[in-house]
Amino acid sequence: DAKTTQPNSMESNEEEPVHLPCNHSTISGTDYIHWYRQLPSQGPEYVIHGLTSNVNNRMASLAIAEDRKSSTLILHRATLRDAAVYYCILRIQGGSEKLVFGKGTKLTVNP
Amino acid sequence: NAGVMQNPRHLVRRRGQEARLRCSPMKGHSHVYWYRQLPEEGLKFMVYLQKENIIDESGMPKERFSAEFPKEGPSILRIQQVVRGDSAAYFCASSPEYGREIPLHFGNGTRLTVT
Repeated sequence: DAKTTQPNSMESNEEEPVHLPCNHSTISGTDYIHWYRQLPSQGPEYVIHGLTSNVNNRMASLAIAEDRKSSTLILHRATLRDAAVYYCILRIQGGSEKLVFGKGTKLTVNP
Repeated sequence: NAGVMQNPRHLVRRRGQEARLRCSPMKGHSHVYWYRQLPEEGLKFMVYLQKENIIDESGMPKERFSAEFPKEGPSILRIQQVVRGDSAAYFCASSPEYGREIPLHFGNGTRLTVT
């Protein structure tokens, strides 16, 4: 399984931007970078995904390094509701192309 | 458009009983994944099914666990003769098609407690 490395935890203040980093140095050319988050007592929630170019949606932005060995999930204005565990996942070619979850980054948002 | 529905939300079973967990995917979704999350641990893949077919069961324990996704009706994860170590949250996810660029939609899980 393709590996990603994320900090165990991060803190942010409400209404400030948050940059959540992810390293994936073994990524191959066809692997997609997915981000999901899990709020307490809920199932994971899709946030965003990308292949090579930066991506924006209503929830977040995804900045992908030129060499694709790292990426950053950007929450433009953190709210208390954004407190969750954020998972950066490589979805690799072949087999069932399942999501393989690591430990993620636990984001705490301070009021 | 209803999301992925899982029921029951909470299930209590005594050791040795059977547990049946149901997952209704989103409308139009024919691919279902099951995951297990033990207390204070990450999500572990169990099985991937398409309608009437098991595609990947590499994460399923070899005994007591089975899954199905019939032509009609929800996907079922069945655990026979439950033990305390089966206590966990079980999540299912669905997608409309197969592909690395296709997001999965998760339900809010069934929390199984074995007493």
